[in-house]
Amino acid sequence: DAGVTQSPTHLIKTRGQQVTLRCSPKSGHDTVSWYQQALGQGPQFIFQYYEEEERQRGNFPDRFSGHQFPNYSSELNVNALLLGDSALYLCASSQSRYEQYFGPGTRLTVT
Amino acid sequence: QQPVQSPQAVILREGEDAVINCSSSKALYSVHWYRQKHGEAPVFLMILLKGGEQKGHDKISASFNEKKQQSSLYLTASQLSYSGTYFCGTERLGTGGSYIPTFGRGTSLIVHP
Repeated sequence: DAGVTQSPTHLIKTRGQQVTLRCSPKSGHDTVSWYQQALGQGPQFIFQYYEEEERQRGNFPDRFSGHQFPNYSSELNVNALLLGDSALYLCASSQSRYEQYFGPGTRLTVT
Repeated sequence: QQPVQSPQAVILREGEDAVINCSSSKALYSVHWYRQKHGEAPVFLMILLKGGEQKGHDKISASFNEKKQQSSLYLTASQLSYSGTYFCGTERLGTGGSYIPTFGRGTSLIVHP
């Protein structure tokens, strides 16, 4: 059983560009959450998707948007990239609120 | 709103014990604990629920004091594999009726042979 997978592994973008990150949840999981983790910090909640709708959102600007597909996979889109968006982006899937399985993350570098 | 973890770092030898604390200024519905090794994804260890229910790891224990809004993670007879950064996560009820997780800054644990 594959766990949570994310692509790409690494990404380098220029300020002002747009980026799309992808996540496939663990089999049987219907909820996907996205986090931003800066170096030396804990994961910061961006938003959560359930049944193809954004269920909850953290304190992130509208430049951060997402989508969940019928197969529960998800995308995170970030527009107008800033240097401060450089971070590890983690996707986590769950079947309930009791346990989240994290993917390996996408390391985004904005230059 | 971010939970506060202490200490920031712990260095110990194999077989020693460690305690990591997590406190919040807000009422807690639950506390989650994760361990993240360098370059890897966080791995779920345990969740403690309001009311005393606990789900998680066999070899690691934790406590949850709802009145004090605190939780502690107890690592006994530590092994080299325990090294990593430990995060506590708390939840607040969001406007959508589901829970929004918030993580602390982490506690770095290094176990030496």
